Amino acid sequence: EAQVTQNPRYLITVTGKKLTVTCSQNMNHEYMSWYRQDPGLGLRQIYYSMNVEVTDKGDVPEGYKVSRKEKRNFPLILESPSPNQTSLYFCASGLTGGANVLTFGAGSRLTVL
Amino acid sequence: AQKITQTQPGMFVQEKEAVTLDCTYDTSDPSYGLFWYKQPSSGEMIFLIYQGSYDQQNATEGRYSLNFQKARKSANLVISASQLGDSAMYFCAITTSGTYKYIFGTGTRLKVLA
Repeated sequence: EAQVTQNPRYLITVTGKKLTVTCSQNMNHEYMSWYRQDPGLGLRQIYYSMNVEVTDKGDVPEGYKVSRKEKRNFPLILESPSPNQTSLYFCASGLTGGANVLTFGAGSRLTVL
Repeated sequence: AQKITQTQPGMFVQEKEAVTLDCTYDTSDPSYGLFWYKQPSSGEMIFLIYQGSYDQQNATEGRYSLNFQKARKSANLVISASQLGDSAMYFCAITTSGTYKYIFGTGTRLKVLA
């Protein structure tokens, strides 16, 4: 089954404790991206990647890091989480050319205390 | 930079009636794509419909159609014959060929009434 898998789905952590949210896709998509969803703000793009070793900042990259060492994986790293990073996070993948329809993961709900 | 504006935070529609969800966009890139996604209460994001900037005809997918007015920079979603299962949050989005950013609006929450 074609899918984007995110882990963990739910996480409660404390300020300053480094964490990684993993994202993996099995569709051989070049494009991968991370979003955060907050009430009233919609989905805001954090980082995106056009292919292996090619990443760029979205609209809200502060406090986050990403890497794209393999085509299928695009982890999101919070080096020192803060309470304002409490949010619902989505990973998505798609093709870079033409109609880039995104396939989304199920979402990861992160709470930073 | 691209921008998407959805001015309707919430809407109600009677079952079996049609409803239009508004979306306006801004971009200086002549080549772009417009998308609508649905997010039910279960949380997943579901692709509904796509319109390319050079497409001559409005996109349709079953009960969904996209009213694309290029000069007005609007890409409204029309849902015909609403069903209770259409109750969800709907997001409009844009991506351009010049950048690989994929920008979403703030969404419209639709409630279908029986």
